[in-house]
Amino acid sequence: GQNIDQPTEMTATEGAIVQINCTYQTSGFNGLFWYQQHAGEAPTFLSYNVLDGLEEKGRFSSFLSRSKGYSYLLLKELQMKDSASYLCAPKPGGYNKLIFGAGTRLAVHP
Amino acid sequence: DARVTQTPRHKVTEMGQEVTMRCQPILGHNTVFWYRQTMMQGLELLAYFRNRAPLDDSGMPKDRFSAEMPDATLATLKIQPSEPRDSAVYFCASGLYGSSGNTIYFGEGSWLTVV
Repeated sequence: GQNIDQPTEMTATEGAIVQINCTYQTSGFNGLFWYQQHAGEAPTFLSYNVLDGLEEKGRFSSFLSRSKGYSYLLLKELQMKDSASYLCAPKPGGYNKLIFGAGTRLAVHP
Repeated sequence: DARVTQTPRHKVTEMGQEVTMRCQPILGHNTVFWYRQTMMQGLELLAYFRNRAPLDDSGMPKDRFSAEMPDATLATLKIQPSEPRDSAVYFCASGLYGSSGNTIYFGEGSWLTVV
């Protein structure tokens, strides 16, 4: 089976940095995705990690430790538009499918 | 601009009625997923196809739900008969198995309300 654990909610201030953690247990592992979902919209792809380490993409970075079953998404220079849910999605071995965590609702305030 | 297209976008129906949701995956993608999202359950995987063949529908209630891919450009999810607890957003997503990252892309969703 699989288990994915993320904080339910987080709040942060505009311009600040926030780190959203995700721990997971899956049957096999083929990489981990982060998706962003604004209220009332579809999830959109943010990042993909398959090897250990940090992947940086503009204001967003994602880190993976395969041995620890741990990932985080780092958002820098927060903007109001970053208020959304952030979904951690490990890809188990075998099938090419994504299992999503419940997501972390991030509220950015002025 | 390639995207996953879903219809209908919104549907209100009475309990007991049949509901069919349709999805056109991104041209060239060989994997299609149906997810259901509610406030309580988050995103649940209902069914998954590769090259039109069903690979995993273990998340789908078999007694009332069915998913098919009549051709490479159309995936359907049918609920018969519908129940109020089926009220949710149903997302279709597609991807290209074997490509770098195997990223999947979501459609805008079908918002279903069963009354």
